[in-house]
Amino acid sequence: AQSVTQLGSHVSVSEGALVLLRCNYSSSVPPYLFWYVQYPNQGLQLLLKYTSAATLVKGINGFEAEFKKSETSFHLTKPSAHMRDAAEYFCAVSGDTGFQKLVFGTGTRLLVSP
Amino acid sequence: ETGVTQSPTHLIKTRGQQVTLRCSSQSGHNTVSWYQQALGQGPQFIFQYYREEENGRGNFPPRFSGLQFPNYSSELNVNALELDDSALYLCASSPQDRNNSPLHFGNGTRLTVT
Repeated sequence: AQSVTQLGSHVSVSEGALVLLRCNYSSSVPPYLFWYVQYPNQGLQLLLKYTSAATLVKGINGFEAEFKKSETSFHLTKPSAHMRDAAEYFCAVSGDTGFQKLVFGTGTRLLVSP
Repeated sequence: ETGVTQSPTHLIKTRGQQVTLRCSSQSGHNTVSWYQQALGQGPQFIFQYYREEENGRGNFPPRFSGLQFPNYSSELNVNALELDDSALYLCASSPQDRNNSPLHFGNGTRLTVT
């Protein structure tokens, strides 16, 4: 079975600082990997996805993630944090079933201070 | 383009009761999935419907059931509600039933069981 581990339930950064949210996955098959963002009282919005093409994936809002098979990682980064980036971020994996099923991590809350 | 819409937004039920949650998929999407997100957790896959058939199910008991209609809208039914069923229920649609297709989520229905 596939799984995702997100290190750090909370990450605090200052506005303008680098954002790094960690995600490690476990999968017996080549995975598809996703990052989603959830703002308060809303559903999840797709930031970016890795589907076995380029290992460096660029997403919306200036975020990007790099797939590293040797480290089983898919960390999310952004060079400069904005106040509007404060939200909950979820990493998810799929690919080991015959249907579309995402397995999510427990999430990381990003706090951005002025 | 209309996104995924869910109704109602909030619901309060008593233990033992039954509940029906509704979801309209995004235009052009024929696959609908349901997820349960408990407070402070990542979403958990309940099941998926493709062309009106359930084609995948997570680790949820049979009292969780669903339907998909010819217009690809969907319902989630939960019988014999338990306190632990209190959660945000998210509906997601996608244009095809493939593991690398990103899901488009609605804003969810917040269910409280007392």
